[in-house]
Amino acid sequence: ETGVTQSPTHLIKTRGQQVTLRCSSQSGHNTVSWYQQALGQGPQFIFQYYREEENGRGNFPPRFSGLQFPNYSSELNVNALELDDSALYLCASSSGWGADTQYFGPGTRLTVL
Amino acid sequence: AQSVTQLDSHVSVSEGTPVLLRCNYSSSYSPSLFWYVQHPNKGLQLLLKYTSAATLVKGINGFEAEFKKSETSFHLTKPSAHMSDAAEYFCVVRPDTGRRALTFGSGTRLQVQP
Repeated sequence: ETGVTQSPTHLIKTRGQQVTLRCSSQSGHNTVSWYQQALGQGPQFIFQYYREEENGRGNFPPRFSGLQFPNYSSELNVNALELDDSALYLCASSSGWGADTQYFGPGTRLTVL
Repeated sequence: AQSVTQLDSHVSVSEGTPVLLRCNYSSSYSPSLFWYVQHPNKGLQLLLKYTSAATLVKGINGFEAEFKKSETSFHLTKPSAHMSDAAEYFCVVRPDTGRRALTFGSGTRLQVQP
């Protein structure tokens, strides 16, 4: 059974640019959630996708957007990057939007200069 | 609304001594509660979860936690620390209704001294 994978591992961008982060969910999982973890803090919920539709959103501006594909993999897109967007971005998959357990990937470390 | 407060940002213990990581929660609904561990440069791993069954929950690697509704607490314990337990630990709450997003505490860094 393949776990949650994310790409790339690290990324460096400059302010104002756009970035796309990718996540492959665990086999059999149809729900993907994205979290932002700033240095020294706990992860914060960005949004969740269930069967290709956004199923909930945290307190993040619209320049954070996402997609989920028919194979349940997912993308996180961030436009007009700001310095404060520098963080570890975590993807988690689960077997349903109400499932007990979310399984996390290793994350993508984004640095905005 | 829901929130989690981890009472210690940093805990240091000696190898072989007990571990106690404290967590208080606030939730408008009956919550599910979790503890996750994050080792450096690794993803988050689930240690244990409480989902309204037994109040004493056993997890992996000898960790356990007790749900105390009257105290709104969910402290994590382990009888004997091992060097490999050194990591960041997160207490997490999730409501059982509505949007089931995870709300994380700010984390407790556990240091284990030889």
